Amino acid sequence: DGGITQSPKYLFRKEGQNVTLSCEQNLNHDAMYWYRQDPGQGLRLIYYSQIVNDFQKGDIAEGYSVSREKKESFPLTVTSAQKNPTAFYLCASSMGMTDTQYFGPGTRLTVL
Amino acid sequence: AQRVTQPEKLLSVFKGAPVELKCNYSYSGSPELFWYVQYSRQRLQLLLRHISRESIKGFTADLNKGETSFHLKKPFAQEEDSAMYYCALNNNAGNMLTFGGGTRLMVKP
Repeated sequence: DGGITQSPKYLFRKEGQNVTLSCEQNLNHDAMYWYRQDPGQGLRLIYYSQIVNDFQKGDIAEGYSVSREKKESFPLTVTSAQKNPTAFYLCASSMGMTDTQYFGPGTRLTVL
Repeated sequence: AQRVTQPEKLLSVFKGAPVELKCNYSYSGSPELFWYVQYSRQRLQLLLRHISRESIKGFTADLNKGETSFHLKKPFAQEEDSAMYYCALNNNAGNMLTFGGGTRLMVKP
């Protein structure tokens, strides 16, 4: 799991601002994912990408955007359209879509 | 639609007691089930998956298709088992994992 890094660890944003969360992996994994973790609700999938230059919406994609220009990078932008962005965000990667997912340490985003 | 339910948000047991974390799922096909664990200040990590039929850290989980359950069990809980546990389902159609809401296990000395 040490092959997945997320930065920053803590992030503060003012209302109305877009913010980008970084996720990098050096595991040569094809698939990458972004989840949102809220207390009592488990993990909910925001976006996923099976391969470079391709990504799909998950269950709660509204107010978020992603890009996958490089295999090792899958940044998530939280836009001002996201109504309740304060949460813990987890990035994960796997060799393929049905393989074990490995998680990063997470980024805690707080909107002030 | 697939769904995973963990009915207990918190489970508290004494050290040495048996523990069972419940997980129920709804899916019409043949799912693949997982248990993930998140220890304090550590990353979420895979604990076990049903196709492996392994025992990891003394934990086992059996897929019961009749009851659509995948409960996690350990006969004698240890304090270091205290963590957040998530049950997850993959429908093996190239689709993503669906997670339950999680159960926090507290093992008291």
